[in-house]
Amino acid sequence: GQQLNQSPQSMFIQEGEDVSMNCTSSSIFNTWLWYKQDPGEGPVLLIALYKAGELTSNGRLTAQFGITRKDSFLNISASIPSDVGIYFCAGLSLGQGAQKLVFGQGTRLTINP
Amino acid sequence: NAGVTQTPKFRVLKTGQSMTLLCAQDMNHEYMYWYRQDPGMGLRLIHYSVGEGTTAKGEVPDGYNVSRLKKQNFLLGLESAAPSQTSVYFCASSSGTDRTGELFFGEGSRLTVL
Repeated sequence: GQQLNQSPQSMFIQEGEDVSMNCTSSSIFNTWLWYKQDPGEGPVLLIALYKAGELTSNGRLTAQFGITRKDSFLNISASIPSDVGIYFCAGLSLGQGAQKLVFGQGTRLTINP
Repeated sequence: NAGVTQTPKFRVLKTGQSMTLLCAQDMNHEYMYWYRQDPGMGLRLIHYSVGEGTTAKGEVPDGYNVSRLKKQNFLLGLESAAPSQTSVYFCASSSGTDRTGELFFGEGSRLTVL
């Protein structure tokens, strides 16, 4: 089946640094989503992207829908302690319901104060 | 402002025991899902429902059963628990509109099978 390769698997950074992570797929997706999971909680939607080339921001977070439709990027600027958690990308093909949502394996972000 | 609520939050079972996880949503969503999360495996879909009275298998359905008797509730059952079912289980819901990838997750239920 479809798979998403999310990288890096983990990141250890200093507070205040910028963060970049990405997801790539061998298949084309028409929707890309980024979720964040705080420790001990369920994932929460951060950003949803619906158009190739789209660049969307949510506060210090910026995500892009790759022009090839096979990748997406998430950037976090000026990281703060509450950014700690696991970030998941997810992709959905055209016409598919959410039961066909494909998740990446996650990027675990750790911030050193 | 409850959203998606899962009970129980934690449970320890012995091999062969049965249990049911309850998920309740107050957003009038049509679609509901059960996922399991294991280290390094991401989120894997167990079963899902596209409306009251309907259920369907996801990626990893074996050993689980579900029911959706009421629109707001989605139950996940384990008839005979096995150690391989030790995991964190997440329920999610979505409106079923064109933005179907936008899921609302519960806080999770951590299950340990001894």
